[in-house]
Amino acid sequence: GQQLNQSPQSMFIQEGEDVSMNCTSSSIFNTWLWYKQDPGEGPVLLIALYKAGELTSNGRLTAQFGITRKDSFLNISASIPSDVGIYFCAGLIYNQGGKLIFGQGTELSVKP
Amino acid sequence: DAGITQSPRHKVTETGTPVTLRCHQTENHRYMYWYRQDPGHGLRLIHYSYGVKDTDKGEVSDGYSVSRSKTEDFLLTLESATSSQTSVYFCAIGQPNQPQHFGDGTRLSIL
Repeated sequence: GQQLNQSPQSMFIQEGEDVSMNCTSSSIFNTWLWYKQDPGEGPVLLIALYKAGELTSNGRLTAQFGITRKDSFLNISASIPSDVGIYFCAGLIYNQGGKLIFGQGTELSVKP
Repeated sequence: DAGITQSPRHKVTETGTPVTLRCHQTENHRYMYWYRQDPGHGLRLIHYSYGVKDTDKGEVSDGYSVSRSKTEDFLLTLESATSSQTSVYFCAIGQPNQPQHFGDGTRLSIL
């Protein structure tokens, strides 16, 4: 089946540092999504990317849809303690009921 | 808040018992989804619905059934729960080819 490889699995950083994480796939996706999950809650959408090569920002977050449509990255600049959580990439497939394929997640810890 | 309510939020039950989880939405979205989340696997699709009484399987559908008798409710049933179905279950809603929005999950433990 289709899989997304997300890396790194975990990161321990100092407050103020920049963070980068990425996802790769052997399959092409129509849309790439980035979600964040806090403990005891469901994933919350951060950024949606709809076109190959698209670069989109949401505050301190920047994400790009790879030109090959098989990869995406997420950058967080100047991290703060509330950035702590698990970040998931997901690929959206249009002709399969809008099915999402998720990466394994990147757990981010931020030391004040 | 995407207008999604999952119930119950926590449940502990025994192997072999039937279990039903409920997802209720107030957004009138056509599509509803059930995922399970396990360490190291991210979220994996169990079943989804594209309308009332219209459902299809996801990648990990064995041992699960679903029903959707009205737009706002999507039920996930474990006919005879097994310990391998211990997991956190998430419901999501969406429109065709648009990002999905998730509920806060049900933590299910099967002893």
